[in-house]
Amino acid sequence: RKEVEQDPGPFNVPEGATVAFNCTYSNSASQSFFWYRQDCRKEPKLLMSVYSSGNEDGRFTAQLNRASQYISLLIRDSKLSDSATYLCVLQGGGADGLTFGKGTHLIIQP
Amino acid sequence: NAGVTQTPKFRILKIGQSMTLQCTQDMNHNYMYWYRQDPGMGLKLIYYSVGAGITDKGEVPNGYNVSRSTTEDFPLRLELAAPSQTSVYFCASRLAGPYYSYEQYFGPGTRLTVT
Repeated sequence: RKEVEQDPGPFNVPEGATVAFNCTYSNSASQSFFWYRQDCRKEPKLLMSVYSSGNEDGRFTAQLNRASQYISLLIRDSKLSDSATYLCVLQGGGADGLTFGKGTHLIIQP
Repeated sequence: NAGVTQTPKFRILKIGQSMTLQCTQDMNHNYMYWYRQDPGMGLKLIYYSVGAGITDKGEVPNGYNVSRSTTEDFPLRLELAAPSQTSVYFCASRLAGPYYSYEQYFGPGTRLTVT
């Protein structure tokens, strides 16, 4: 089983719709969880951290289920500017680097 | 603050040539990282450093070397370039401390082609 699995998409979604992505991970020792956003040919940028209690940042909601080793991201009222690749990212303890999924490609259509 | 800067932005190498990818951060971060991203793939960790004089291997270190003589700089060296090293290379840094607290900041990347 791959460390971080994501549906690569693309997800084609009309503007204003709600879209959800999922991610599963295999390393139960993972300590921290994130969603990063990557625009075409650019560096990844942190979208939000993911907490066990679930957390929301404006139109974005992230959930973590440690028992099922599953992370989700929900985007409400999608905007054209939300078009990007969304990377599911984990971190172990200490100074370890990040473990990235391959990303889910989202296209918001006018 | 400029954040994390990388040079060059683009480079084409012939097989067997050597080069150094430069990375500098001005945020006084102790932890620095090198990743590579192949087309359609996630980023993979090459090397990382927790401070000046301390480096450690990541997931894909073969064919690369690093050094960390200052807090600000973390260069990545390719000694004998191979086509398999064609990729986009990202440098990142973050503050030392609890892993859950601190965001990794990425540089804009270096696009390397080996032919």
